[in-house]
Amino acid sequence: DGGITQSPKYLFRKEGQNVTLSCEQNLNHDAMYWYRQDPGQGLRLIYYSQIVNDFQKGDIAEGYSVSREKKESFPLTVTSAQKNPTAFYLCASTYTQGLGYTFGSGTRLTVV
Amino acid sequence: AQSVAQPEDQVNVAEGNPLTVKCTYSVSGNPYLFWYVQYPNRGLQFLLKYITGDNLVKGSYGFEAEFNKSQTSFHLKKPSALVSDSALYFCAVRDTIGAGNNRKLIWGLGTSLAVNP
Repeated sequence: DGGITQSPKYLFRKEGQNVTLSCEQNLNHDAMYWYRQDPGQGLRLIYYSQIVNDFQKGDIAEGYSVSREKKESFPLTVTSAQKNPTAFYLCASTYTQGLGYTFGSGTRLTVV
Repeated sequence: AQSVAQPEDQVNVAEGNPLTVKCTYSVSGNPYLFWYVQYPNRGLQFLLKYITGDNLVKGSYGFEAEFNKSQTSFHLKKPSALVSDSALYFCAVRDTIGAGNNRKLIWGLGTSLAVNP
């Protein structure tokens, strides 16, 4: 079945460490997105990518980095520069002219 | 500025009663509107969308939404609520500014629906 897979489901990070969240899709979608979700704040866009080897900053890109070396994969690295990384992270994808997103099941990151 | 508003943080309804979750939007041009549902610790699931045509759109799990251009609204409705409908609901509108390839979804903050048995 086609879909988006995010891993791991739960992730714990020590302060000062970088961590990478995985997002893989087999939907042949062109565009991929990373969102951060905090209670009461809805979805905030971190980074997005419309095509391979290209990506753009979203509204809250500071402290995060991404790569898009393959169409299927869009990993997100939460760097030590991100001051408050504890959150629920969601990956989504769509066709370039798509009219709706498909979401992964999310990764909950906790700084310990 | 383009935006989506969900004026209610929480909606409570008794099982079997009709439910409405409100959404208003502000975009230039013709809006493409969406509703998604999120269960705890899960990703968002697509419910329905309005692109063009009939103002009443039917979606998954018995939900429907009514597009009202004059009121710039896209309220989500269901005739008879179930306890299992309890979840977080998000309204979104497609960005109408910029090149087609860069049009993202603009999200509301979400409405928590609680259906009481």
